[in-house]
Amino acid sequence: QSALTQPRSVSGSPGQSVTISCTGTSSDVGGYNYVSWYQQHPGKAPKLMIYDVIKRPSGVPDRFSGSKSGNTASLTISGLQAEDEADYYCCSFAGYYNLLFGGGTKVTVL
Amino acid sequence: QAQLQQSGPGLVKPSQTLSLTCAISGDSVSSSTTAWSWIRQSPSRGLEWLGRTFYRSKWHNDLAVSVKTRMTITPDTSKNQFSLQLNSVTPEDTAVYYCARDASSVGSPFAFNLWGQGTVVTVSS
Repeated sequence: QSALTQPRSVSGSPGQSVTISCTGTSSDVGGYNYVSWYQQHPGKAPKLMIYDVIKRPSGVPDRFSGSKSGNTASLTISGLQAEDEADYYCCSFAGYYNLLFGGGTKVTVL
Repeated sequence: QAQLQQSGPGLVKPSQTLSLTCAISGDSVSSSTTAWSWIRQSPSRGLEWLGRTFYRSKWHNDLAVSVKTRMTITPDTSKNQFSLQLNSVTPEDTAVYYCARDASSVGSPFAFNLWGQGTVVTVSS
């Protein structure tokens, strides 16, 4: 199975909103409400930001939100801050038991 | 506060076996409500889930199709850790390897809310 498709990069000014898309198929993103999103700073391990499409772990700012429509999931960062500059990866359940990751999106704060 | 501490060599020769260990503190490898995974990341393959081990009355393993014939995950209850062995490695297996715990504690076995620090593994002679 191929990795999920994400844009290579998105950018925005402080205070703006950016949205990252994650496109899969009906066998993964579209078939289950099990999409998660991870933030990764250089040299660090990924950090869970969103799980089960829309849920936010304790401690993650509510500026981060998730959604899904059909085979495409999205992560929106509202009120962009300098510390949000990082790589972001989506991940989807793809049937028992398999997980697929996206290729990653670099978010740049201008 | 649970933590995962990885250990293992950073250089492996082609055709040999890659072995890594993930020591768990603040949780149990034998927990009946979570699972323990290995994930790797490389520029060419991105993030790739490799496999997991978990205990539900008995031990279970799930492995990704891409590594199923070469990989073993072994829990060690006496040391509260789990290990990865990947046989017959090639330069394609060069990556940062992470151990991770799934997010069953918040109701999702399909996400990871605890990660090890990562181990850079290079396959080269």
